[in-house]
Amino acid sequence: SQQGEEDPQALSIQEGENATMNCSYKTSINNLQWYRQNSGRGLVHLILIRSNEREKHSGRLRVTLDTSKKSSSLLITASRAADTASYFCATGSTGGFKTIFGAGTRLFVKA
Amino acid sequence: DVKVTQSSRYLVKRTGEKVFLECVQDMDHENMFWYRQDPGLGLRLIYFSYDVKMKEKGDIPEGYSVSREKKERFSLILESASTNQTSMYLCASRRGQGNEKLFFGSGTQLSVL
Repeated sequence: SQQGEEDPQALSIQEGENATMNCSYKTSINNLQWYRQNSGRGLVHLILIRSNEREKHSGRLRVTLDTSKKSSSLLITASRAADTASYFCATGSTGGFKTIFGAGTRLFVKA
Repeated sequence: DVKVTQSSRYLVKRTGEKVFLECVQDMDHENMFWYRQDPGLGLRLIYFSYDVKMKEKGDIPEGYSVSREKKERFSLILESASTNQTSMYLCASRRGQGNEKLFFGSGTQLSVL
């Protein structure tokens, strides 16, 4: 079952612009995570936000979580060509082992 | 940093072959996972293991089995490979409980001809 759904499916921006990706999910969660995947490689964990948090920052990344709307957003500020990758949200349920991933957003940053 | 190593980057197998995908992690993590990734479908969980010799089915276990004889190693087995199992396979590990972050290997792109 697919829990998270990212929006948009693909995003193309110029270097220096901000990129915003959204994620919606269906069931109760204890945390939400964002991962990055360079083409043909494994996923790398970017940031985790817990269900009792509303906003979290890490460098150029800003994540928000709205549990009432079951949604999250990932903002990458001042994007760089090296940010070109696919970005996935993933959710973990309370007491569970599974981490469920969405289909991802493909970000392309033009130099 | 945690290192999760998948034995093969690319594999080409024939229909009906038995295929072994190996994954090793070096950080003494209790939990290990196998996902497959297909375009437009994201990552789907095949099997996971929370301890040695323990395994649980994920969302798409049909056609697969797993083995975890040692804590650091988690193997995915395709008993009789089929063309619809052509995919990217990703292994991941995680310490303890609580759905904390996953550490992924680089992936194995399997083609079944």
